[in-house]
Amino acid sequence: GQNIDQPTEMTATEGAIVQINCTYQTSGFNGLFWYQQHAGEAPTFLSYNVLDGLEEKGRFSSFLSRSKGYSYLLLKELQMKDSASYLCAAPRPTDKLIFGTGTRLQVFP
Amino acid sequence: EAGVAQSPRYKIIEKRQSVAFWCNPISGHATLYWYQQILGQGPKLLIQFQNNGVVDDSQLPKDRFSAERLKGVDSTLKIQPAKLEDSAVYLCASSLGSRVAKNIQYFGAGTRLSVL
Repeated sequence: GQNIDQPTEMTATEGAIVQINCTYQTSGFNGLFWYQQHAGEAPTFLSYNVLDGLEEKGRFSSFLSRSKGYSYLLLKELQMKDSASYLCAAPRPTDKLIFGTGTRLQVFP
Repeated sequence: EAGVAQSPRYKIIEKRQSVAFWCNPISGHATLYWYQQILGQGPKLLIQFQNNGVVDDSQLPKDRFSAERLKGVDSTLKIQPAKLEDSAVYLCASSLGSRVAKNIQYFGAGTRLSVL
């Protein structure tokens, strides 16, 4: 199979830090993408990790461990506008993306 | 730079009717994808085009779904006849293609289909 697993829902408080985990099968995938999707809107690209380690981009950081089939998205200084679904997706060699079910994050004041 | 354009945004039809969706990718993007996203799930690839050729249509229900990308630019996705379980958002995405190291897919706003 081609399982991509991530938590269904998470909640956090404005200003806090939240980590969204994603695990996937290690074979046949070349890195990992994170997308953000607000309700009723298109997924928008956040990050792509092809090498192991942490990549930081402003308030958002993404980590990848290829040997463990594990990634996380770290969101700092949470804002209300960060309430959205966060999708991890693993690319096959043909560039086909296999998506997880998405983690719905709710940020409360 | 203009993004991926899709139309219509919403469509309501009765089961057994036909429906078609249109997608115009970002200019210069060789690869075009159609995804189906059922409520509460992640997008699932239906078909992938490289220019006007099909790369992957393994999850396209070919008895009722068809897609084409004539001239390697715009694409249409058709469902005929529709079933209740086809109710979903149909997302079109495009990317530069495998020749780039970071092949990011950019998504359109999608067409929300309700089959009654």
